[in-house]
Amino acid sequence: EVQLVESGGGIVQPGGSLRLSCAASGFRFSSYSIHWVRQAPGKGLEWVSYISTSGASRHYADSVKGRFTISRDNAKDSVFLQMNGLTAEDTAVYYCARDWDGGKLDWGQGTLVTVSS
Amino acid sequence: EVVMTQSPATLSVSPGERATLSCRVSQSVSGNLAWYQQKPGQAPRLLIYAASKRAAGIADRFSGSGSGTEFTLTISSLQSEDFAVYYCQQYNNWPLITFGGGTKVEIK
Repeated sequence: EVQLVESGGGIVQPGGSLRLSCAASGFRFSSYSIHWVRQAPGKGLEWVSYISTSGASRHYADSVKGRFTISRDNAKDSVFLQMNGLTAEDTAVYYCARDWDGGKLDWGQGTLVTVSS
Repeated sequence: EVVMTQSPATLSVSPGERATLSCRVSQSVSGNLAWYQQKPGQAPRLLIYAASKRAAGIADRFSGSGSGTEFTLTISSLQSEDFAVYYCQQYNNWPLITFGGGTKVEIK
């Protein structure tokens, strides 16, 4: 069974940093690219970032470019999202999602990030 | 940037009735479109990909159609478990994927 488990969310002050993790199991992790997608409270889905199978290719939404960094450790079946310079607009549930065929996604359950003073 | 517009924002339907949801895209995405269902407190779940192919385990009352810039998700006879929010997503510009704003299907 495909499982993606996010962790690392919490409450952080504006300007602060958080590092999200996504632990994968039930599939050959190194063969799949991964996305992060977020959802602000009561709002829709917003794509955040992408990383290829090897980590060589990375992409970011304009709203997070220069502040967020995606990475992965294939030896540990994990993906990470380092988030710096957080603002209230970054408050959301963050999902990691396995890309199984050029854009179709299997999702984790998400982790909540709240940016508040 | 590919912009995706879903309509209506909210659809009120009685159980057993048909629901038709629309997704319009600002530029052609060919057939590279998926639909997801999201229930409160849960992650989205893939229903349809390639505009019309049902994902594994999805009931046949869910069907998708369209190509280019106009797409439709139809739920033929709404069951109680189908009341949820539905999102369309394009992957023609993969890996830069985009989601629509969602349609909430509520009980009439």
